[in-house]
Amino acid sequence: EVPLLQSGAEVKKPGESLKISCTGSGYTFSKYWIGWVRQMPGKGLEWMGIIYPGDSDTRYSPSFQGQVTISADESISTAYLQWSSLKASDTAMYYCARPKVDASVGPFHIWGQGTMVTVSS
Amino acid sequence: QSALTQPASVSGSPGQSITISCTGSSSDVGTYDLVSWYQQHPGKAPKLMIYEVSRRPSGVSDRFSGSKSGNTASLTISGLQAEDEADYYCCSYALINMEVFGTGTKVTVL
Repeated sequence: EVPLLQSGAEVKKPGESLKISCTGSGYTFSKYWIGWVRQMPGKGLEWMGIIYPGDSDTRYSPSFQGQVTISADESISTAYLQWSSLKASDTAMYYCARPKVDASVGPFHIWGQGTMVTVSS
Repeated sequence: QSALTQPASVSGSPGQSITISCTGSSSDVGTYDLVSWYQQHPGKAPKLMIYEVSRRPSGVSDRFSGSKSGNTASLTISGLQAEDEADYYCCSYALINMEVFGTGTKVTVL
């Protein structure tokens, strides 16, 4: 299975916006949920939300609802995680991941390499 | 949705067996046989080790096994090896196409 490919590390200032990406290849992108997972420095994994690119059905963990936006562009097999106004507390590694079974939200068999987001003034 | 509860650390000597617990509620672990376990080495992406409580993905050693009783799931590592030293996270389906991770357990091989 081909790993997901994430965009590179970002360094931003508080209040700035950001959109990071996750690109799939070697499978029918529209048929597999893609999820996002946060890992703050030295901390555990947190399930943020998930999107089904085929119809853009999106679910958010209550902890992240309203804090981030998950989207996808089926035409370029890419999912996105975006912030409209970053905070220092958004500093973390963000992973995208997907299941091996189509139309299933989990478990996450295939992962991206992670995108490190640093927010600092 | 609250994180599932895991012990912060578990240790064992090479060759021994260790068990990591993962306690949830009737909203997640207790209702769904959709518990998975991930291994994460420092600086690496997580790796799926167990899914659907006790199934192993291809390529994962049979030294790793999973089980569940009530609201608590468990991961057992038999024949502990140095390479097993890592962080381990459980994860459960928890209603409306959402999942929740555990708090994580650091496994140390003495």
